[in-house]
Amino acid sequence: EAGVAQSPRYKIIEKRQSVAFWCNPISGHATLYWYQQILGQGPKLLIQFQNNGVVDDSQLPKDRFSAERLKGVDSTLKIQPAKLEDSAVYLCASSLVMGTPLSEKLFFGSGTQLSVL
Amino acid sequence: DAKTTQPNSMESNEEEPVHLPCNHSTISGTDYIHWYRQLPSQGPEYVIHGLTSNVNNRMASLAIAEDRKSSTLILHRATLRDAAVYYCILSGYNFNKFYFGSGTKLNVKP
Repeated sequence: EAGVAQSPRYKIIEKRQSVAFWCNPISGHATLYWYQQILGQGPKLLIQFQNNGVVDDSQLPKDRFSAERLKGVDSTLKIQPAKLEDSAVYLCASSLVMGTPLSEKLFFGSGTQLSVL
Repeated sequence: DAKTTQPNSMESNEEEPVHLPCNHSTISGTDYIHWYRQLPSQGPEYVIHGLTSNVNNRMASLAIAEDRKSSTLILHRATLRDAAVYYCILSGYNFNKFYFGSGTKLNVKP
């Protein structure tokens, strides 16, 4: 079974530039999560989708971050404009179906490491 | 939102059992208790989860206190490959609000 795919693996940009990250979840997984992980900290949930609808975006800095999941499959996370404090690893995760908790688990990609200079 | 409290770090000897504690005194009746671990330069990976009863799988065991205000992840025989950051997470019934804390960094000594 193919895992969660993320690209690019690394990205270096100047502050005030824009950047986008792409995630392809495991086939058939309805729920998709984006996390931000700053060095030395635990992952912080930015946004959660079920199919193409947003379940939770309470921690997404909406003035500069946006995310979409067209057709309920792939997802893109964008930062515009980037700030120095956005330097982090951006992780994507997916899970099969909401509502069957005893069999559920999240599968994570390897992440995109963003450096903002 | 329910929070979890874990020690910042723990140390274990190889091939000995490890008990990783987690306090979650504000847990609600429908919150699930999850454990994930993160090896260096990788995304987190699932370890185990449960609701009320103790759970076992090939990786670990999860012991949940009767009042559910704390839980313990048990690695029966630690190996060097178990050195990682272990996260205890509470989530709602629908796996919403899947919020990570700062975790416990486990060091395994040969």
